[in-house]
Amino acid sequence: DGGITQSPKYLFRKEGQNVTLSCEQNLNHDAMYWYRQDPGQGLRLIYYSQIVNDFQKGDIAEGYSVSREKKESFPLTVTSAQKNPTAFYLCASSMLARQETQYFGPGTRLLVL
Amino acid sequence: SQQGEEDPQALSIQEGENATMNCSYKTSINNLQWYRQNSGRGLVHLILIRSNEREKHSGRLRVTLDTSKKSSSLLITASRAADTASYFCAGGGADGLTFGKGTHLIIQP
Repeated sequence: DGGITQSPKYLFRKEGQNVTLSCEQNLNHDAMYWYRQDPGQGLRLIYYSQIVNDFQKGDIAEGYSVSREKKESFPLTVTSAQKNPTAFYLCASSMLARQETQYFGPGTRLLVL
Repeated sequence: SQQGEEDPQALSIQEGENATMNCSYKTSINNLQWYRQNSGRGLVHLILIRSNEREKHSGRLRVTLDTSKKSSSLLITASRAADTASYFCAGGGADGLTFGKGTHLIIQP
């Protein structure tokens, strides 16, 4: 899991509730990413950030929001607009270029009550 | 859309045998990467092969890349029970990394 931490490991969301997933890295990486993984599926990109105070939508950004106020931190908020939030969420980081090696955190599993 | 498509979806072999997984991709890439994921964990980077390389080795891993066929293979030699995991290929290009659905490898003791 390298120098990337994600918390919590499990998260439960009630209907209509926003929840925030934490991602912190101490690798001094410029780029950070959020992916969603559903059972038996690959990873789908939600948001990415290549520099502080800037971020871009990925393939499935609807219902999610992010911020990048510090280089080390890239929190993901799952809003009530995301109607099917149950999934495994993975945060990753890389040195600079998006196509280079990415280092992943241990993941957060989000479940809906 | 997913860049990589692994084959087979699942593979079960005896410990000590070699395991081969294949990956096909759709668009131009700068590199092709393989990652491993143990159940319920994050992904771990295994190996990266650049578009101008044809073969690369790392320990018991051997990766090939054929850009004319837009395909790659991952060979794990002398498999061990601890190799049981899901293996993903990811195409690296201008749009970042795009992952396939993975091959689930089971090593029978």
